[in-house]
Amino acid sequence: AQSVTQLDSHVSVSEGTPVLLRCNYSSSYSPSLFWYVQHPNKGLQLLLKYTSAATLVKGINGFEAEFKKSETSFHLTKPSAHMSDAAEYFCVVITNTGGFKTIFGAGTRLFVKA
Amino acid sequence: DTGVSQDPRHKITKRGQNVTFRCDPISEHNRLYWYRQTLGQGPEFLTYFQNEAQLEKSRLLSDRFSAERPKGSFSTLEIQRTEQGDSAMYLCASSSGLAVGELFFGEGSRLTVL
Repeated sequence: AQSVTQLDSHVSVSEGTPVLLRCNYSSSYSPSLFWYVQHPNKGLQLLLKYTSAATLVKGINGFEAEFKKSETSFHLTKPSAHMSDAAEYFCVVITNTGGFKTIFGAGTRLFVKA
Repeated sequence: DTGVSQDPRHKITKRGQNVTFRCDPISEHNRLYWYRQTLGQGPEFLTYFQNEAQLEKSRLLSDRFSAERPKGSFSTLEIQRTEQGDSAMYLCASSSGLAVGELFFGEGSRLTVL
């Protein structure tokens, strides 16, 4: 079975400091992994995806994530937080069944302090 | 606007009533997904269509829930005999067959069952 675990339910950073949102995955096969962001009263938006190409993946708004097979991790980072980054972030794994069902983590709420 | 649209955005109903949600996906997308999201949780997969065929259903989709996509375009999600536990945000997403996991979400339909 495939699953994702987001290790922090809340993360608080100051504006201009680095962001680290942690995600571990479990998969019997080579996984497809994604990060989505949900701003208040907005639809979920794809930030970035890993599909077995480069292990360091760059996404929108300066975010990036590194796939580490040895650690079964796919942590999301950003060098410098901006107030507009405050949102809920979800790590997602795709199952390898024919329906390509997506499994979301429980989410990490990012707070950015001025 | 050519994104995914959902209607209604909010629905308040009394326990035991039936409700129906509609989703209009991005027009060229052949895959359509329904998810349910409760407060503080990540979206949970409900069901998935490829064109008009419903290819996968979650165990969460009890007999009171039914989804259709009659012409491979818009989809409806009906909940019969609503219960208070059905209160949640119902999310629709669509994707093309080429970009697995790259989902485009609507803003959701919030259901409150009194």
